[in-house]
Amino acid sequence: DVKVTQSSRYLVKRTGEKVFLECVQDMDHENMFWYRQDPGLGLRLIYFSYDVKMKEKGDIPEGYSVSREKKERFSLILESASTNQTSMYLCASSSLYFRQETQYFGPGTRLLVL
Amino acid sequence: GQQLNQSPQSMFIQEGEDVSMNCTSSSIFNTWLWYKQDPGEGPVLLIALYKAGELTSNGRLTAQFGITRKDSFLNISASIPSDVGIYFCAGPSAGGTSYGKLTFGQGTILTVHP
Repeated sequence: DVKVTQSSRYLVKRTGEKVFLECVQDMDHENMFWYRQDPGLGLRLIYFSYDVKMKEKGDIPEGYSVSREKKERFSLILESASTNQTSMYLCASSSLYFRQETQYFGPGTRLLVL
Repeated sequence: GQQLNQSPQSMFIQEGEDVSMNCTSSSIFNTWLWYKQDPGEGPVLLIALYKAGELTSNGRLTAQFGITRKDSFLNISASIPSDVGIYFCAGPSAGGTSYGKLTFGQGTILTVHP
């Protein structure tokens, strides 16, 4: 059974803190994605990666960075958390070679920045 | 950039009723996807459409790829309480290197009253 796991379901941080969100997939997928989900805005792509150490900006990369040191793991970093980064964060993965449109999502991390 | 507009934004229906929702775009898509997000979970792919005019079913769900390639429709027949969730349309993002990037609509929130 395919699985994408995220390190935390809920996280509370203070403004200015550095925040790490971890995502791990067990499907040997090449592509991995980070989205944020806000009511009425759908899913917006923050960053994605198609290979180890490769990353590309999505639609809303400002205030975020990512790291992909191993194929199965993709980390989202908030260098200095701000209140407007309070949101639901979703990680996803897909195969580069077969049905790329099928993305498998983790359960999400709900982040509150105070 | 590309935008997908879903309507309605939310629906409140009685169990047993049929549901229709749609997704429109100002640009052409060659693939249309419908994902469902259960409460507290990540989205899961329901149906993928690959050809204009295509009609595809998945149980009580039926989706259509519009002839103009600028819209898609999702119907749910005889709704049940477990149909509750957020339904997203999505399509491959244009421009640059794709790597399976998707553009998502804002979502339709479905509530089913028993």
